[in-house]
Amino acid sequence: GENVEQHPSTLSVQEGDSAVIKCTYSDSASNYFPWYKQELGKRPQLIIDIRSNVGEKKDQRIAVTLNKTAKHFSLHITETQPEDSAVYFCAASINFNKFYFGSGTKLNVKP
Amino acid sequence: IAGITQAPTSQILAAGRRMTLRCTQDMRHNAMYWYRQDLGLGLRLIHYSNTAGTTGKGEVPDGYSVSRANTDDFPLTLASAVPSQTSVYFCASSDSGAGELFFGEGSRLTVL
Repeated sequence: GENVEQHPSTLSVQEGDSAVIKCTYSDSASNYFPWYKQELGKRPQLIIDIRSNVGEKKDQRIAVTLNKTAKHFSLHITETQPEDSAVYFCAASINFNKFYFGSGTKLNVKP
Repeated sequence: IAGITQAPTSQILAAGRRMTLRCTQDMRHNAMYWYRQDLGLGLRLIHYSNTAGTTGKGEVPDGYSVSRANTDDFPLTLASAVPSQTSVYFCASSDSGAGELFFGEGSRLTVL
């Protein structure tokens, strides 16, 4: 089955700086890559996603890049704010079926 | 009901007991999933169902069973709970043609 690895496990940045979280996947058939944000004590929620026919996608301060050849994708958050502090999960799926998640990155944005 | 709901929100259970976690969604999503969340291990897929009447095994299915008698409900049963099943369990659903997973609020289970 699919294996998704995520790094780093924790990330601490100063407010206003950028944050980058990286994931790799093992199954070249995976074609959908969402990112979820989980605030403390709450459910994960989708923040951005990318499909395999696209190399980059942006939504305001967040962006995701995908390198299909290397089988890795990354989440970029610019101008970080304290409310960005949360755990972020990447995931991979084949045709929206059986989502496999990375182990999570705890992002701490220091004011 | 709006969205996806789980019950109970929290439960302490003696080892060896049987436990069913309930999950109901009103979005008419065809796909439903059960994940467990453990510190440092992320979200691991236990079982899934692509449509009513069908189920499949995920990454960590041992000790768990599911059923999908209708579109809305997807209960997860621990036949004989063990301490290693202490975790937070999330149910999720999706329209398999759209992609986004909608999660329930989670069920915190402690097995002593």
